Amino acid sequence: DQQVKQNSPSLSVQEGRISILNCDYTNSMFDYFLWYKKYPAEGPTFLISISSIKDKNEDGRFTVFLNKSAKHLSLHIVPSQPGDSAVYFCAASPSQGGSEKLVFGKGTKLTVNP
Amino acid sequence: EPEVTQTPSHQVTQMGQEVILRCVPISNHLYFYWYRQILGQKVEFLVSFYNNEISEKSEIFDDQFSVERPDGSNFTLKIRSTKLEDSAMYFCASSGEPQGIEAFFGQGTRLTVV
Repeated sequence: DQQVKQNSPSLSVQEGRISILNCDYTNSMFDYFLWYKKYPAEGPTFLISISSIKDKNEDGRFTVFLNKSAKHLSLHIVPSQPGDSAVYFCAASPSQGGSEKLVFGKGTKLTVNP
Repeated sequence: EPEVTQTPSHQVTQMGQEVILRCVPISNHLYFYWYRQILGQKVEFLVSFYNNEISEKSEIFDDQFSVERPDGSNFTLKIRSTKLEDSAMYFCASSGEPQGIEAFFGQGTRLTVV
C-alpha cells in the first residue's frame, strides 16, 4: 500500500546543476506535503513543505511544486551542491483532526558530484 | 536550536526481551510520534501521542508496543517481547502543530534483535 511513491531510488547530478526529485501520491485526503533530507546515521531533517492550497513554495535554493490534479509534487534544488547529497523523503499528511501522522515515500538518494 | 534527543543510539537485545527506547522531545511541543525504518525500507508511522494518550496508531503498533510520557519530558517506546523483525531504526519526533505538522526527528535508535 504505497500511498506516497518516489519512483526514482537514486539521482546523480553535477554540482551547480538543478536536481529534480519527484513524488506521486494516491490519497486525495492528503493536504500537506513535506520534504525531509536524511544523512546516514541521522534522523530525517525537515526541508520544505507545501499546503494543498498552493502550487509552489520556495525557500532559498529549494522549491517545491505541487500539481494536485496529477497528484504529483517535485522538489527542485538549484544550484545543487555536494553537501546536498543525502536521501530525500517525500511525506504527506492526511487531512484529519488532531495530531497528523506523516506517510513517507521510500526516498531518493541524491548524489551531487563536484 | 532545540532538538529531539534519543537514547540509546544503538541497542542490541535478545529475542523475547523487553526494550525501552527513550526520547526527549522539544520542550514546548505537544505532539509526539514514533516512526521506524527497517533497513532498506521506508520510514513507517507507529504511533502518535497527544494530551497523555495515543491519538493514532498503525497496524504495526500491536499489543507488544506501548508508549508513555512518564515525567513530562521523556517519551518512551516499550517493546515487551522483541522479535527478530523488530530490528530497525526507531525515530522519535515531536511537533507543535496539529495541522500541517513540521515534525522534528531525533537521530534515531538502532535496535538489533538477535
